[in-house]
Amino acid sequence: GAVVSQHPSWVICKSGTSVKIECRSLDFQATTMFWYRQFPKQSLMLMATSNEGSKATYEQGVEKDKFLINHASLTLSTLTVTSAHPEDSSFYICSARGLEGYTGELFFGEGSRLTVL
Amino acid sequence: EDQVTQSPEALRLQEGESSSLNCSYTVSGLRGLFWYRQDPGKGPEFLFTLYSAGEEKEKERLKATLTKKESFLHITAPKPEDSATYLCAVQAPQGAQKLVFGQGTRLTINP
Repeated sequence: GAVVSQHPSWVICKSGTSVKIECRSLDFQATTMFWYRQFPKQSLMLMATSNEGSKATYEQGVEKDKFLINHASLTLSTLTVTSAHPEDSSFYICSARGLEGYTGELFFGEGSRLTVL
Repeated sequence: EDQVTQSPEALRLQEGESSSLNCSYTVSGLRGLFWYRQDPGKGPEFLFTLYSAGEEKEKERLKATLTKKESFLHITAPKPEDSATYLCAVQAPQGAQKLVFGQGTRLTINP
């Protein structure tokens, strides 16, 4: 199956700093990438949908100025958590859908665990 | 509003003890129902996509089935390595690219 890679897999930062998480599709071109957030023992909550070359679409209740998403190429999307606070600590997971051949299937990255002190 | 409900929330089985996980959904115009496996601290791993009622798919000890209101993930003679959280998600026409996930079923297989 398709491979989606996230980096870093875990990060610890101080409150008030910004953190960038990268999501790459390694063996296919992804026109659309999705960013999810997952709290312990809970399911995945969609934060935003990013399309290559255009602005991301954020879900209701997600602050777009807080969670900056950039999808500058067909293989890379980034999520930047700006001025992070302890309540932003969570497991962030990206997923990607390819141009063709992967219709209907979303492939997920390994996730990035953010801890804000 | 599209909703996905999975049951049970948690399930403990003995090795070799077959069972089924349930995923009930309400969505206007289902485009696809997805099953994923998630291990602790990892991203979801794709298992199956089902598109229409009556469809079935199998992979090793897992078999997924779909009706108009629910999907079942049957696990036959499970092994300890099948322990994981199993997630169900639906894709609807509106916002067609998005998946709506259920809460998951935490499956534990005891040796």
